[in-house]
Amino acid sequence: KAGVTQTPRYLIKTRGQQVTLSCSPISGHRSVSWYQQTPGQGLQFLFEYFSETQRNKGNFPGRFSGRQFSNSRSEMNVSTLELGDSALYLCASSLEQAAGADEQFFGPGTRLTVL
Amino acid sequence: AQSVTQLDSQVPVFEEAPVELRCNYSSSVSVYLFWYVQYPNQGLQLLLKYLSGSTLVKGINGFEAEFNKSQTSFHLRKPSVHISDTAEYFCAVSLNDMRFGAGTRLTVKP
Repeated sequence: KAGVTQTPRYLIKTRGQQVTLSCSPISGHRSVSWYQQTPGQGLQFLFEYFSETQRNKGNFPGRFSGRQFSNSRSEMNVSTLELGDSALYLCASSLEQAAGADEQFFGPGTRLTVL
Repeated sequence: AQSVTQLDSQVPVFEEAPVELRCNYSSSVSVYLFWYVQYPNQGLQLLLKYLSGSTLVKGINGFEAEFNKSQTSFHLRKPSVHISDTAEYFCAVSLNDMRFGAGTRLTVKP
């Protein structure tokens, strides 16, 4: 079974631009979560989608948004990029939920650099 | 709300030595506990998880962890480490969402 895939793997943008990252979950998984990983803040939860609906949201500004399609694939969008948005963005999928007993399977991440 | 603290940011050890990575959690209700490993330029991989039952949990790559409710701890151990165990290790607690610790960088020296 194929794992979680994320595209692109690397991205360089400039301040003020917007970016869209893509995540394809493991087949059959319906929950997709996004995390931001930085050296200073560690792993921080962005949001979780389940059946095309945002089910949970972390403490990030509205510039960060996402969506999920009917095939469970998910995208996240960051508008008006700031230097501090430079990070590794990880996507994780699970069968039913990002919380509780379900194991999350992580993709390799997208490394975003904002210049 | 639940939270998790990893007590050591870096742990250097020599090859074939034992290692313990410490994790304490905070929660007013029962939670699920996880240990993940992250190798350079990769995502996170589950090592083991505690859901209920036996407090000693065995995971992949020879790792194990012990859940201690009275001390609210979930320390990760391996009796003999290899160079290939060099990585970042994350403890996580899950209830309504998953919260990760800051990570412990394990460096295994030859």
